[in-house]
Amino acid sequence: KQEVTQIPAALSVPEGENLVLNCSFTDSAIYNLQWFRQDPGKGLTSLLLIQSSQREQTSGRLNASLDKSSGRSTLYIAASQPGDSATYLCAVNNNNDMRFGAGTRLTVKP
Amino acid sequence: GAGVSQTPSNKVTEKGKYVELRCDPISGHTALYWYRQSLGQGPEFLIYFQGTGAADDSGLPNDRFFAVRPEGSVSTLKIQRTERGDSAVYLCASSLTGFGAYGYTFGSGTRLTVV
Repeated sequence: KQEVTQIPAALSVPEGENLVLNCSFTDSAIYNLQWFRQDPGKGLTSLLLIQSSQREQTSGRLNASLDKSSGRSTLYIAASQPGDSATYLCAVNNNNDMRFGAGTRLTVKP
Repeated sequence: GAGVSQTPSNKVTEKGKYVELRCDPISGHTALYWYRQSLGQGPEFLIYFQGTGAADDSGLPNDRFFAVRPEGSVSTLKIQRTERGDSAVYLCASSLTGFGAYGYTFGSGTRLTVV
């Protein structure tokens, strides 16, 4: 059974900092990996989708990398802003079996 | 529709009652998924539909939970004899094809509170 771990559980940074969120998974035979953002009391917003054959994906200030063989993915956020404050969830898809980590709760202070 | 729509957004029910939660996926998406999220946790898989059939219901916690998707579009999650432990946010997602090849799109969820 796929286990997904996200570190750290919570992170607080001052505005403008670059930061990295980590995701690790136990079964490297994945189909793809997806990073989501969740605001309090809201649903999940997709940020980036990385297929198993890809190494990274970029969208604006966000960059996600994937190292399938070592079971790791990172989400890099450049020049963080208070509006980036949310919980970030990593989800690993093994052929329709999508497993989530518990998330990293990010606070960006003005 | 433009996104995944879930209704109601909030539901408060008394212990022992029956509830139905509705999910309207993105038009044309053949795959539909239900997840449950408890406070401070990531979503946990409940059931997956490909078309009208439940392709994987291994995440349903017990036989009080049941879901249908009779016409391959809208899905309803049904919970009988609700218990306080059923309180959570129920999330629905859809995907263009099976295997989530294009990623999953989630709705805003239904917050269920059993009192």
